[in-house]
Amino acid sequence: DVKVTQSSRYLVKRTGEKVFLECVQDMDHENMFWYRQDPGLGLRLIYFSYDVKMKEKGDIPEGYSVSREKKERFSLILESASTNQTSMYLCASHRGFKETQYFGPGTRLLVL
Amino acid sequence: KQEVTQIPAALSVPEGENLVLNCSFTDSAIYNLQWFRQDPGKGLTSLLLIQSSQREQTSGRLNASLDKSSGRSTLYIAASQPGDSATYLCAVWGGNKLVFGAGTILRVKS
Repeated sequence: DVKVTQSSRYLVKRTGEKVFLECVQDMDHENMFWYRQDPGLGLRLIYFSYDVKMKEKGDIPEGYSVSREKKERFSLILESASTNQTSMYLCASHRGFKETQYFGPGTRLLVL
Repeated sequence: KQEVTQIPAALSVPEGENLVLNCSFTDSAIYNLQWFRQDPGKGLTSLLLIQSSQREQTSGRLNASLDKSSGRSTLYIAASQPGDSATYLCAVWGGNKLVFGAGTILRVKS
């Protein structure tokens, strides 16, 4: 059974804090993705990675960075959290563009 | 720039009805189209994946069709049940990413 896990379901952080969101997949997938989902704006791609130590900017990378040191783990970093980064964050992975994309359960982040 | 539109935005039906959700996309140069289900506060669950060379895919009570030339897909749900209540999202893979529609919120009343 395929599985994508995210380190936290809910997080509350203060403005200016550095925030780490972790995602792990157990399917040996090459490709991993971070999205954020907001009411009225839908899912938007933040960053993605095609391989270890590789990263590509998505549609809204500003204020975020990522790290992929191991194939199974893809981390999203908010360098200095701001209130407009309050959102639902979703991680996903797949083997290739012709394959199904699998999502984690999401992390709901509140920045105060 | 690829844009994906889903109609209707919300749908409420009595249990047992057959229903159709619609998805349209502006650029027909896609590799595949995927339908997802999302329960409130949860992640996305993949329902069906249709490759660009395929016309339809079926899984249980779900059937998805793809007409790439006209930029349309439909998700047909047979004999709807209250447990089908969720948001349904379609997404197309073109270029190097998935582009999502805004979703259809489905409520099946018992």
